[in-house]
Amino acid sequence: EIVLTQSPGTLSLSPGERATLSCRASQSVSSSYLAWYQQKPGQAPRLLLYGASSRATGIPDRFSGSGSGTDFTLTISRLEPEDFAVYYCQQYGSSPRTFGQGTKVEIK
Amino acid sequence: QVQLQQWGAGLLKPSETLSLTCTVYGGSFSAYYWSWIRQPPGKGLEWIGEINHSGSTNYNPSLKSRVTISVDTSRNQFSLRLSSVTATDTAVYYCTRGGWGYKLDYWGQGTLVTVSS
Repeated sequence: EIVLTQSPGTLSLSPGERATLSCRASQSVSSSYLAWYQQKPGQAPRLLLYGASSRATGIPDRFSGSGSGTDFTLTISRLEPEDFAVYYCQQYGSSPRTFGQGTKVEIK
Repeated sequence: QVQLQQWGAGLLKPSETLSLTCTVYGGSFSAYYWSWIRQPPGKGLEWIGEINHSGSTNYNPSLKSRVTISVDTSRNQFSLRLSSVTATDTAVYYCTRGGWGYKLDYWGQGTLVTVSS
């Protein structure tokens, strides 16, 4: 099983600041089958990025992803008020599919 | 536009069987894997398992002995059964499009299932 470890657990930032979230895998993620999701309270998760760096439909370009192998990063270039939420990474290339434990981006 | 609508019992007693069904509207049902994900209150996401249109399944080993995912292609539906539930199975359960080699791009609205005596 591929274990995904996200860091930090909580990120306290102000609107307009840059957010950098990390996702580290215990084994190489095949074909960069790595996705990022955003979840707000009371809502289902929403797909942000897939294939490590491809934005999903309708996702603004302030969200970007990078990485390969075992190290992946989600960057939000300038935080908007609606970006404060919990973010999860997920690998979908190996079974069982696994999620990271999440990073909460909160308003400082 | 793809939409997933899920339903099922929200309150169970210990040892009962959880049963949820998800209907897919729009898009191609046969081209994808379809998955179930759960989220205990205040916790993270856990992958339960997936199925494709031909009935090929993959399950989380931690739940495999109690989980059955089935598909009804005539109705564009897939279903989850989880037997012998306990309080630790209390969670919001989501159906999603995607699975093996494909991101989870559409999600159902979620169903809170509470297990309590």
